[in-house]
Amino acid sequence: ELKVEQNPLFLSMQEGKNYTIYCNYSTTSDRLYWYRQDPGKSLESLFVLLSNGAVKQEGRLMASLDTKARLSTLHITAAVHDLSATYFCAVDKNAFQGAQKLVFGQGTRLTINP
Amino acid sequence: KAGVTQTPRYLIKTRGQQVTLSCSPISGHRSVSWYQQTPGQGLQFLFEYFSETQRNKGNFPGRFSGRQFSNSRSEMNVSTLELGDSALYLCASSRGASSRADGYTFGSGTRLTVV
Repeated sequence: ELKVEQNPLFLSMQEGKNYTIYCNYSTTSDRLYWYRQDPGKSLESLFVLLSNGAVKQEGRLMASLDTKARLSTLHITAAVHDLSATYFCAVDKNAFQGAQKLVFGQGTRLTINP
Repeated sequence: KAGVTQTPRYLIKTRGQQVTLSCSPISGHRSVSWYQQTPGQGLQFLFEYFSETQRNKGNFPGRFSGRQFSNSRSEMNVSTLELGDSALYLCASSRGASSRADGYTFGSGTRLTVV
């Protein structure tokens, strides 16, 4: 059974600092996604990582994927308050006949203090 | 380009009742999947439909069911509601197996409260 684990689950940091959220998964998969969720809101897509070594950046966020280590990271550079949210990674468990299923990590609640 | 539309946004039901939630995917997307989000269990997969066929089902009781129509709109139904069914229900739209590079786009969700 595919399991996805994030750490840390809670992260409180100061503006201007850098930090990394880690996402480990237990079995081979060919797709990994990062989402952001604000309180009471839906999931906003941040990154789609499709292959080993993939790196994507958007503003102060950068995501990478190492399929051999079954590890993805979400790096935050010079954090600002607007990045406060819960971040989820999800692995695409592709079943037979192309059936799709996302398995999510527990989420990392990020709070950025002025 | 219209996004994924879920209706209703909020719903309050009594134990034992049934409920139907609706999801209209992005135009051209043929796959719709449903997820339940609770504080205790996190985000859990319910089922996925593609071209009116259920291709995958999560580990939920038979009280949870769904269907997809020819226009790709999907509904999910929960019968005999229990307090534990209170959750945010999210649907996700995608093109389908051959174009997963686009990822999944989620709707705003339906917040179901069972009292």
